[in-house]
Amino acid sequence: IQLTQSPSLLSASVGDRVTLSCKGSQNINNYLAWYQQKLGEAPKLLIYNTNSLQTGIPSRFSGSGSGTDYTLTISSLQPEDVATYFCYQYNNGNTFGAGTKLELK
Amino acid sequence: EVQLVESGGGLVQPGRSMKLSCAASGFTFNNYDMAWVCQAPKKGLEWVATISYDGSSTYYRDSVKGRFTISRDNAKSTLYLQMDSLRSEDTATYYCARRAYYAPYFDYWGQGVMVTVSS
Repeated sequence: IQLTQSPSLLSASVGDRVTLSCKGSQNINNYLAWYQQKLGEAPKLLIYNTNSLQTGIPSRFSGSGSGTDYTLTISSLQPEDVATYFCYQYNNGNTFGAGTKLELK
Repeated sequence: EVQLVESGGGLVQPGRSMKLSCAASGFTFNNYDMAWVCQAPKKGLEWVATISYDGSSTYYRDSVKGRFTISRDNAKSTLYLQMDSLRSEDTATYYCARRAYYAPYFDYWGQGVMVTVSS
């Protein structure tokens, strides 16, 4: 399964509601996770099984979707959210998306 | 606190070998499947290999089958990746990752170790 993330680069302001997209080439059956990777750091699990928030992750992060289309939403962007975000499917094998780089406007 | 600390990276010539290690702490190592994931410079993440909690099962991406070997020593809480016949396209940061308990996604990652394959 191939994953296509869009946009590849997103500029937003503090306080904005931000939406990142991840589309699969086949049905992912909700077996999708989202990771945050800050510059020079290891990836951090944010969301698993489409919409389950990992322990310790702020509630401004949420996930949704079904079938082939999935979304990560940040309800109110904070400066510490500047990072690259990857989606990851584990329905059929395992593949990562190419990432969306989120920067402050 | 879960900690995964990789070591063993560096510069290696094409065709040579390198062995990576990942020291785990803060959890019961032999209860979890473990994996290696790589990230080529300025590229996305790619799964490399997975090993079951007891070492009885291993899985590899096609491009490394027959060249890389994932293994573990549960007595030492350490994961390994033996990389043979290295190619320039293997150049990447290699991350050790823990698979979530009875789940196929990765819940903790190490800081990564850089492997550069070049003459």
